Amino acid sequence: GAVVSQHPSRVICKSGTSVKIECRSLDFQATTMFWYRQFPKQSLMLMATSNEGSKATYEQGVEKDKFLINHASLTLSTLTVTSAHPEDSSFYICSADRSSYNEQFFGPGTRLTVL
Amino acid sequence: QKEVEQDPGPLSVPEGAIVSLNCTYSNSAFQYFMWYRQYSRKGPELLMYTYSSGNKEDGRFTAQVDKSSKYISLFIRDSQPSDSATYLCAMSADSGAGSYQLTFGKGTKLSVIP
Repeated sequence: GAVVSQHPSRVICKSGTSVKIECRSLDFQATTMFWYRQFPKQSLMLMATSNEGSKATYEQGVEKDKFLINHASLTLSTLTVTSAHPEDSSFYICSADRSSYNEQFFGPGTRLTVL
Repeated sequence: QKEVEQDPGPLSVPEGAIVSLNCTYSNSAFQYFMWYRQYSRKGPELLMYTYSSGNKEDGRFTAQVDKSSKYISLFIRDSQPSDSATYLCAMSADSGAGSYQLTFGKGTKLSVIP
């Protein structure tokens, strides 16, 4: 149990386009999902905390108008990178909180490359 | 001082060795301690989860938490080449809102040489 999926696993896009990444908890309901960004050889940096049915809470320095997060159901959260630029190229990872156990389970990540 | 300190390595050991990975932290509010394994270009995989101080064993893996010293460890016995990965420690405090933000260490890159 406790499987989290992400789609797509890899995306290459042109500068100025928007990219949507989906995060799904497949076998449990997740009231809270988290979005992280990871640069090569670096640890995970929390971008935002997403609660089902409410607005996401963004970490300091993360532009909420650029990284749109929607958590419409207990099993799905989406991150949209709007007007992507090459500096947005990174590995984006979501996690879902299986709250009754206070554990976070991570998706496989999405590698975004902006040309 | 960063909240969580972890030696990034790299750490190379021969197959069969006992591996010791460690993290120190400064926030005394942390109560939940986790170890994740991350293979290259993959998401982290939860290995061990411990609440408060003490030891927890799962197969070849043992997690130790010493809250008095603010020090946590992960031991891997009989290490295998398939254990080669980056190991991330993570911890969280009770947010009081039922959801727990994790603070990660930088990760230690481990290579087990056949």
